[in-house]
Amino acid sequence: AQKITQTQPGMFVQEKEAVTLDCTYDTSDQSYGLFWYKQPSSGEMIFLIYQGSYDEQNATEGRYSLNFQKARKSANLVISASQLGDSAMYFCAIGPYNFNKFYFGSGTKLNVKP
Amino acid sequence: NAGVTQTPKFRILKIGQSMTLQCTQDMNHNYMYWYRQDPGMGLKLIYYSVGAGITDKGEVPNGYNVSRSTTEDFPLRLELAAPSQTSVYFCASTEVRVQSNQPQHFGDGTRLSIL
Repeated sequence: AQKITQTQPGMFVQEKEAVTLDCTYDTSDQSYGLFWYKQPSSGEMIFLIYQGSYDEQNATEGRYSLNFQKARKSANLVISASQLGDSAMYFCAIGPYNFNKFYFGSGTKLNVKP
Repeated sequence: NAGVTQTPKFRILKIGQSMTLQCTQDMNHNYMYWYRQDPGMGLKLIYYSVGAGITDKGEVPNGYNVSRSTTEDFPLRLELAAPSQTSVYFCASTEVRVQSNQPQHFGDGTRLSIL
């Protein structure tokens, strides 16, 4: 079984500052993938970034980067230069490489202040 | 470019009623999933399918049934609606390839209330 833990129910960040959203995971699989999704108040799920367990470099996608520490089983999302439109719920998810079962964390609500 | 389409968007059911949540994707994805999201929580996997004719249980399958007769469609059936099934339901799909990382594409969700 796999498990995702997001310990920050809510976070505030000032516009244009960077913010880190925490995600730790537990898995017995040797090969797995880690995903981050954004869910605005409108409700849709938007894919942000992916990290494979065998990827040696941390993933980056524009203003999003993933701080992957395999030994610590953490996959924190870093958002640089926060924008007002970044205010949303953020979910971390884990899935095996055969993509059959995914597990999501409980989410972090990010509020960006002007 | 439709992606993943879910119908209906909203529905109110009475306890004991049945209904089918529809999900269709036009991306020729082999894997499809159904999740539920309770208020203030993350998504929990109900059922998934790795291809037409193949389905399997996820984390919270009780009270639901699925079928996958075509690549495009993956309906979710509630047989005897209970208040505990009040939730937002998301359908998702992805294409699984060797040595390629593909995220799940989500539908817009179906908000279901059981009264």
